[in-house]
Amino acid sequence: GAVVSQHPSWVICKSGTSVKIECRSLDFQATTMFWYRQFPKQSLMLMATSNEGSKATYEQGVEKDKFLINHASLTLSTLTVTSAHPEDSSFYICSARDLTSGIYEQYFGPGTRLTVT
Amino acid sequence: GQNIDQPTEMTATEGAIVQINCTYQTSGFNGLFWYQQHAGEAPTFLSYNVLDGLEEKGRFSSFLSRSKGYSYLLLKELQMKDSASYLCAFMDSNYQLIWGAGTKLIIKP
Repeated sequence: GAVVSQHPSWVICKSGTSVKIECRSLDFQATTMFWYRQFPKQSLMLMATSNEGSKATYEQGVEKDKFLINHASLTLSTLTVTSAHPEDSSFYICSARDLTSGIYEQYFGPGTRLTVT
Repeated sequence: GQNIDQPTEMTATEGAIVQINCTYQTSGFNGLFWYQQHAGEAPTFLSYNVLDGLEEKGRFSSFLSRSKGYSYLLLKELQMKDSASYLCAFMDSNYQLIWGAGTKLIIKP
């Protein structure tokens, strides 16, 4: 099956610094990648959708200048949390799909746990 | 508008059967997904229904009725490892997934 990797799996950073999270589709070309955030005991919250080569579409309430998303190739998307604060501590999960394959399933990465101190 | 609803929490006994229901409302529909998510982990795909009826896959089955805006996930011969959150999501006309809040399933011995 399709595999999506995320790096790092966990990261601790100091308040005010920036953190970059990578999401890669390993054995398929991801025409679309999604970034989710999940707080403890809560459901997935979609942050943004990105199509390869295009600017990401952010959900209402998500600051595009704070959460920078780049989808420069069909296998790589990055999420950069700029000037991180403790309230940004969360579980960040990416997913990817290739609609051109006719398969609508989203394949999830293993997630990145961010802790901002 | 769009909305999707599923129970917050359910409890069942090891070896038994449990049915998790999901209801939704949308004008555009491209199928319904069920995902399993263990605590601290990312969701994993369980099933996808786009036509009415029952899809069986081992101990797990998923049912869809498009006219009623209703789906359920049926888990048989429950095992302790089935303790997890189960997320239903429908795909709208823009191929976006609209997620339910998840049902936390607790399995007791």
